[in-house]
Amino acid sequence: LAKTTQPISMDSYEGQEVNITCSHNNIATNDYITWYQQFPSQGPRFIIQGYKTKVTNEVASLFIPADRKSSTLSLPRVSLSDTAVYYCLVGEPPLTGGGNKLTFGTGTQLKVEL
Amino acid sequence: DTEVTQTPKHLVMGMTNKKSLKCEQHMGHRAMYWYKQKAKKPPELMFVYSYEKLSINESVPSRFSPECPNSSLLNLHLHALQPEDSALYLCASSQDLSRGGPVEQYFGPGTRLTVT
Repeated sequence: LAKTTQPISMDSYEGQEVNITCSHNNIATNDYITWYQQFPSQGPRFIIQGYKTKVTNEVASLFIPADRKSSTLSLPRVSLSDTAVYYCLVGEPPLTGGGNKLTFGTGTQLKVEL
Repeated sequence: DTEVTQTPKHLVMGMTNKKSLKCEQHMGHRAMYWYKQKAKKPPELMFVYSYEKLSINESVPSRFSPECPNSSLLNLHLHALQPEDSALYLCASSQDLSRGGPVEQYFGPGTRLTVT
């Protein structure tokens, strides 16, 4: 099981860039790194996914160093609506075998204020 | 349509009741999942269906019985539940798992279950 470690909570202000780091020291060769966002009483929503280096989409960037033992989710210019729990997942999808099982970590509660 | 729908949104049931949760997706996904989420905890995987066949059961008690009638529907039948089973039950779907590689899971809004 790929254990992930994230900060329990983070606070920020509107317009700032937020970086949430996830540690995953026992990441396996076939494991991908995926981040989800979850609002209260809703299902998680996919944000971004990567294997190595840097991935960017319309909402976030994901930075993965060469050793892949950590990753950083970067949210540019956050707003109040970005207040949510952010989960880092490391592993392989079910049934593929060989790597770590894809499991939700404890998550980071991000609070954005005015 | 990138939506996973779940019904009902809320369910209150007694310990002797039998009820069912329903999940539907029309994205052509061939993998469907049930998760259980307790308050302030991460989602925990319960079951995985791949091509309408149960592929993973994470040692879930038999009072939870999943069913996948076709590629778009997923049910979770509930019987003789305990109060500690009260939680948010999430359904998700994703692309074909047999291809390997990364998958993006699409989650429904969940069913808030209270067992009295």
